[in-house]
Amino acid sequence: DSGVTQTPKHLITATGQRVTLRCSPRSGDLSVYWYQQSLDQGLQFLIQYYNGEERAKGNILERFSAQQFPDLHSELNLSSLELGDSALYFCASSVTGGTQYFGPGTRLTVL
Amino acid sequence: SQQGEEDPQALSIQEGENATMNCSYKTSINNLQWYRQNSGRGLVHLILIRSNEREKHSGRLRVTLDTSKKSSSLLITASRAADTASYFCATVALIANTGNQFYFGTGTSLTVIP
Repeated sequence: DSGVTQTPKHLITATGQRVTLRCSPRSGDLSVYWYQQSLDQGLQFLIQYYNGEERAKGNILERFSAQQFPDLHSELNLSSLELGDSALYFCASSVTGGTQYFGPGTRLTVL
Repeated sequence: SQQGEEDPQALSIQEGENATMNCSYKTSINNLQWYRQNSGRGLVHLILIRSNEREKHSGRLRVTLDTSKKSSSLLITASRAADTASYFCATVALIANTGNQFYFGTGTSLTVIP
């Protein structure tokens, strides 16, 4: 158990909908990272937050947004969902620059 | 892009043999890390090697780093069926005004046949 929790585990929704994925980092970790993993794209870095502030952006679509709250949990919002958004979404936390601890992931299926 | 590239993409070996995976990257790094992912699960950290280190061991794992060639290798000795997984390298670079950035490679899929 990495100490990082993600909810929900599975999410099935329809195209055009909006969903929110939630992540709670390990106790004491200020950095939260979001990744998307699909069969054809591999592990893609989306965005990083550090202590509530956006720190870095990767291949995150404009339809996606994220935030980190004062209690350090983070949410990833995905809107106007398309079939191609179906993927595993991972959250990871770290003490900046050190080991990343990954959550179990949320499997999103868009029908 | 800083993204690392693992080689080979896929590797299949017999139990008891050694497995070697390579990772190449493009720019300067602070450290390089190797992660393992079982199918559909989150990545698990295996080992970290700093830019001023050349070799590191952890159990059956041996990692080397050659910063002049911008490459690293992960050796798993005496492989077991339970080592079957995907292995990713991640480079960590200090980016001005941004802090430490992680870049994951494309992964090597290892199958160990009992």
